[in-house]
Formats: sequence, structure tokens, C-alpha cells
Amino acid sequence: GENVEQHPSTLSVQEGDSAVIKCTYSDSASNYFPWYKQELGKGPQLIIDIRSNVGEKKDQRIAVTLNKTAKHFSLHITETQPEDSAVYFCAHGDFSGGYNKLIFGAGTRLAVHP
Amino acid sequence: DSGVTQTPKHLITATGQRVTLRCSPRSGDLSVYWYQQSLDQGLQFLIQYYNGEERAKGNILERFSAQQFPDLHSELNLSSLELGDSALYFCASSVEPSVGETQYFGPGTRLLVL
Repeated sequence: GENVEQHPSTLSVQEGDSAVIKCTYSDSASNYFPWYKQELGKGPQLIIDIRSNVGEKKDQRIAVTLNKTAKHFSLHITETQPEDSAVYFCAHGDFSGGYNKLIFGAGTRLAVHP
Repeated sequence: DSGVTQTPKHLITATGQRVTLRCSPRSGDLSVYWYQQSLDQGLQFLIQYYNGEERAKGNILERFSAQQFPDLHSELNLSSLELGDSALYFCASSVEPSVGETQYFGPGTRLLVL
């Protein structure tokens, strides 16, 4: 039960529109949900994260929502800009037992067109 | 720049060979993680070390091994290389393997096995 499904695999939006990426997980022990942005030729970079005792978190144009009952969480980017174009990965982690293991979704390639 | 360094950036080798990838964590980080990113498998957790000790294992092949040294840098050894081992290998680090500790990723090593 460690998989995480991420949708859509590709997303194309016009500059200024909103983008939403959704992830569903199956491991009920998961308690940490980060989102990473990966630009071409670079390593993944954390953009926002949420813990299981919080339902929503916002940081400027980026927000994440978590529904632990339904086991899904979403990334919302508002007022998209061309520099938001990248691959976005959701992940979930189970830190019980003292280890920090992240399971990643397959990624969403976001293209923001001027 | 995440503060995590990885060498080399690129590596081209032949099947059957052995290579060593090196990672230096961010200053102050005690935990190191290795991930493999391939086109068909996405980002896969391989192994985690904390202060020199192995903490968690993921989908790491028996041909692969890793260690973390007293100065906290880590090496990932890949032996008897196969074509399918061609991938991006990322190292990440965090202060501790605790709940919600951010994992900072390095720029990766691109391995090509011919």
C-alpha cells in the first residue's frame, strides 16, 4: 500500500490561469505530503508540504489541500506564470519507525503558455 | 542551489562495469537518501542513511550498495551494470529523519550504460 497516483500526467494552461494537480495514496500511515518542482536538468525542489493534522496550507500563489479520509491531496497554483513550467511531483511519507521514506507520484508536466 | 553536491554530473560506462557516485549533504544534515529517476519508473527511493547507519531500504538491487562515512558524505556503488541501470541518480539530505523534515535534493548524476 505505498503507491501514489498522480493526475494529470500533462497539463497545459494559459498564463494567468490556475493549475490543479491531484494525488491519491493508499498507505493510511502516511503523515507527510510534500510537493516538489523539477526543472529541466535540475534536482527536485520542495515548493510546499502539508502534514496530516492540517487540511490546507497556502504560500503565495501555491496551496495544498489534504483529505485524509479520502486519501487524496492536491496542489493548486493560481495566476500561473511561464516560469511555473516544470514537472511537479507529489509524494507521501511514513516516518513512523524513525525513517524518512518518500514515495513519489509519476509527475505532472505543466506547461504555462504566455 | 540546495547545498547538496553530487559528483560526477555525468557518467558513461559499459555493461558489466562498476561505478561510484558521491554525495555531500548540506552542512548540518545528518541523513542522506538516494533515489533513482528513470523514464519508466519515476523517482524511486533506494536507501537512507542517518549519521553513518543504514536506516531504510527501498527498491535497491543487490548489485547496488551504499555507505555514509564519518564526515557524512555518502557513496552509492553500482556494480555489474546493465543497460537498464541508465538513469538519473539523486542524493537528498535532511537534518534528521523526523516527521516533516524537508529532503533537499542535489543536482543528480546522469548515468548512461552502453
